[in-house]
Amino acid sequence: DIQMTQSPSSLSASVGDRVTITCRASQSISSYLNWYQQKPGKAPKLLIYAASSLQSGVPSRFSGSGSGTDFTLTISSLQPEDFATYYCQQSYSTPGTFGPGTKVDIK
Amino acid sequence: EVQLVESGGGLVQPGGSLRLSCAASGFTFSSYWMSWVRQAPGKGLEWVANIKQDGSEKYYVDSVKGRFTISRDNAKNSLYLQMNSLRAEDTAVYYCARWNLATVTQFYYYYMDVWGKGTTVTVSS
Repeated sequence: DIQMTQSPSSLSASVGDRVTITCRASQSISSYLNWYQQKPGKAPKLLIYAASSLQSGVPSRFSGSGSGTDFTLTISSLQPEDFATYYCQQSYSTPGTFGPGTKVDIK
Repeated sequence: EVQLVESGGGLVQPGGSLRLSCAASGFTFSSYWMSWVRQAPGKGLEWVANIKQDGSEKYYVDSVKGRFTISRDNAKNSLYLQMNSLRAEDTAVYYCARWNLATVTQFYYYYMDVWGKGTTVTVSS
């Protein structure tokens, strides 16, 4: 199975900050990488698919990049509603493993 | 409105069984792969199982193989997860999710774009 790691596991940031989250796969997954946002008590929400394609309705301050084994999710200017946990997931092979998550909270 | 609604969760003793259901609406259910994903209390997301549009292919995470069975009824727009021999470590919120497909630079990419709100399964004596 492909293992996914994320860093950092948590971060504190202020509204307006630029935030970058890193995801790494244990083997090359090309661009088969998705990003989800989850708020407490809620279902995950798709943000980015195919490493860099923005899901419809997701604000443009979210962006994704990378290919192979290393990927990043960037929030260009953090907004109050962005405080949440972010997960990467590979869709290159079954099982579609998730990263452990990165919690973004208020500084 | 595109929607998934899970039901069937509850408290069950170790070794017991439970059947989860997921009712789909607002889209052509029979056109999509579907999944179950779970989240143990305070933990991350774990993909559990996938099923192809016609039910002919099914995949499971190793930890549930032989115990869980995913199925679907396209006539009823419903997805199911039969869970047997339940263990304490199966305690989680169980989400159903739709796998969608996009073509990007001539390649096909899968992602879960619609999620239900989840149903809680607690395995405890």
